[in-house]
Formats: sequence, structure tokens, C-alpha cells
Amino acid sequence: DSGVTQTPKHLITATGQRVTLRCSPRSGDLSVYWYQQSLDQGLQFLIQYYNGEERAKGNILERFSAQQFPDLHSELNLSSLELGDSALYFCASSVSGGNTGELFFGEGSRLTVL
Amino acid sequence: SQKIEQNSEALNIQEGKTATLTCNYTNYSPAYLQWYRQDPGRGPVFLLLIRENEKEKRKERLKVTFDTTLKQSLFHITASQPADSATYLCALVTSGFQKLVFGTGTRLLVSP
Repeated sequence: DSGVTQTPKHLITATGQRVTLRCSPRSGDLSVYWYQQSLDQGLQFLIQYYNGEERAKGNILERFSAQQFPDLHSELNLSSLELGDSALYFCASSVSGGNTGELFFGEGSRLTVL
Repeated sequence: SQKIEQNSEALNIQEGKTATLTCNYTNYSPAYLQWYRQDPGRGPVFLLLIRENEKEKRKERLKVTFDTTLKQSLFHITASQPADSATYLCALVTSGFQKLVFGTGTRLLVSP
């Protein structure tokens, strides 16, 4: 158990809809990262927050947004969903914001868009 | 363009042998390189980190090398066991420590 909690574990929705994925980092970790993993793309970095502030951005679509709250949990919002958004979405956390240490990953949220 | 390349074909080896996985990168100057293990449907699990000024790092049956001239890292599992069967991902920290970028991983299958 990494200590990172993601909900929901599975989500099935229709194209055009909006969903919110939630992540609680390990106790004491200030950084939260979001990754998307699909079969043909591998783990793609979406965005990182450190202590409530956006720290780094990857290839995150404009239809996606995220935030980190004062209690350090984070939410990833996916809107106007398309079939291609079906993937595993992982949250990870680390103590620092400098990407110098290991990341602790949650078990992921599997999104299926029909 | 920037690339992290790992062998997309599965590596099949017999129990007890040494598995060697390769990670090559292009147009990155990483300060750190990490290796993770991922089991099907699970989140990646951190294994080892090696810094650019380190040639080699060991942890139990695992060994990682990092050659910044060749732009390559090798990941070795000695005395491999069927329980080592998983996908192994390399990840590097981009300059300025902005992002941790992952390769697509290599699947390792260890047969009894």
C-alpha cells in the first residue's frame, strides 16, 4: 500500500460528459502528480501541484483541469469526454516538489468512455 | 524530438538468469534517472534512483547503471524469479527538475 488513495477505482461514462477524479496523497507529501496511461501511449505526465500551486505542466488537454486543495488532496476534472480519453489515470505524491525523489503512486482510476 | 526508448518487446528469461533491460534517451539531459516496476492494473512502484554523477547503484538483486555519454541506463535483475515478472519503467527527471517523464516500459517474463 503506497498510502496514496484514488477514487473512484472504476468509472464508466458517455462521450461529452464530465468526471472528477480524486486523489489523497501520502501523509506529509506536498506534491501531487497526475499521469494518464493508455495502452498505446504509456504513462503520460499531465500536471504537478506543490503545496497548492501548479508546479509543472505536461501535455494536459484544455478540456482537463486540476487543482490541489489546502488539505493537499487533488482533483482532476475531465470534461467533454471523448472515446480517446479512456485510460488509467494515476495520481502520485512525493515529499518535495523538485522531482528528486521517488514518487508514490495510487492504484489508479480506470475511466471508460462509451 | 525528445524520446525515452525501452524495448517494447517482452523479455523472456529462465529463472535464475540475469535479466538486463535497456533505457535509451534522446535530447534530454537528466539529472536523475529512476526505475519503477508496474504489475498489470496496478500503480508503478519505485525501485531505484541513480544520479548523473553515479555510474552504478545496487539494491539487493537489482543493479542500475547510468551512462550519460551513451545516454543509456541498464537495469539488471540477478538470480531472477518468476515473481520478478512485471513491466519495468525507466523515468528521467528533466533539467530544472520540472518533470518526471516515463518510458513505455519493457515487460519481463521469468519462466520457472
